[in-house]
Amino acid sequence: LAKTTQPISMDSYEGQEVNITCSHNNIATNDYITWYQQFPSQGPRFIIQGYKTKVTNEVASLFIPADRKSSTLSLPRVSLSDTAVYYCLVGEEGGGKLIFGQGTELSVKP
Amino acid sequence: EAQVTQNPRYLITVTGKKLTVTCSQNMNHEYMSWYRQDPGLGLRQIYYSMNVEVTDKGDVPEGYKVSRKEKRNFPLILESPSPNQTSLYFCASSGTSGGTDTQYFGPGTRLTVL
Repeated sequence: LAKTTQPISMDSYEGQEVNITCSHNNIATNDYITWYQQFPSQGPRFIIQGYKTKVTNEVASLFIPADRKSSTLSLPRVSLSDTAVYYCLVGEEGGGKLIFGQGTELSVKP
Repeated sequence: EAQVTQNPRYLITVTGKKLTVTCSQNMNHEYMSWYRQDPGLGLRQIYYSMNVEVTDKGDVPEGYKVSRKEKRNFPLILESPSPNQTSLYFCASSGTSGGTDTQYFGPGTRLTVL
């Protein structure tokens, strides 16, 4: 299973773009990269998933370079409500055992 | 409404007193999983189940048991709880795979073992 490494914390200001990078050096061919967001006292919720290149949805973009050894979650123009912990997960297609990273605590200030 | 429910939401117990935390999902998902969350350690997987009667160990299975007798339910059993099992527990479910399908998490169960 690929181990993931993320920054423990990040600070930003409202309206800025935030990029959180996750390192997963031993990612396997069948692995996908998924990001979750967690607010205090709540369960995590899905943000975005990708396999390679770039994926974009209504809330975020995910950039994955060709070697797939890292990925970057991009949050455009963050607001105070984006203050949360963000987890990167590398999971095998069809697999069940999962290892989440420690998560990145994002603090957005006014 | 599609959801994962857990009960109880809060529990204070004493060392050695067996307890069960229930988890139920109404989305007909095959995959279910239990996690514990501790400060500074993120989410750690305890056990997972790929389908009925199919369960396997996650990263931190010691001191826990699970069963999957029906598709919708995946209870977590602590036969003899100890203080180091004080934690926030989350149950999750997804279509067929935890690795690629979106996981839906329950609201969490905060357990304190005295």
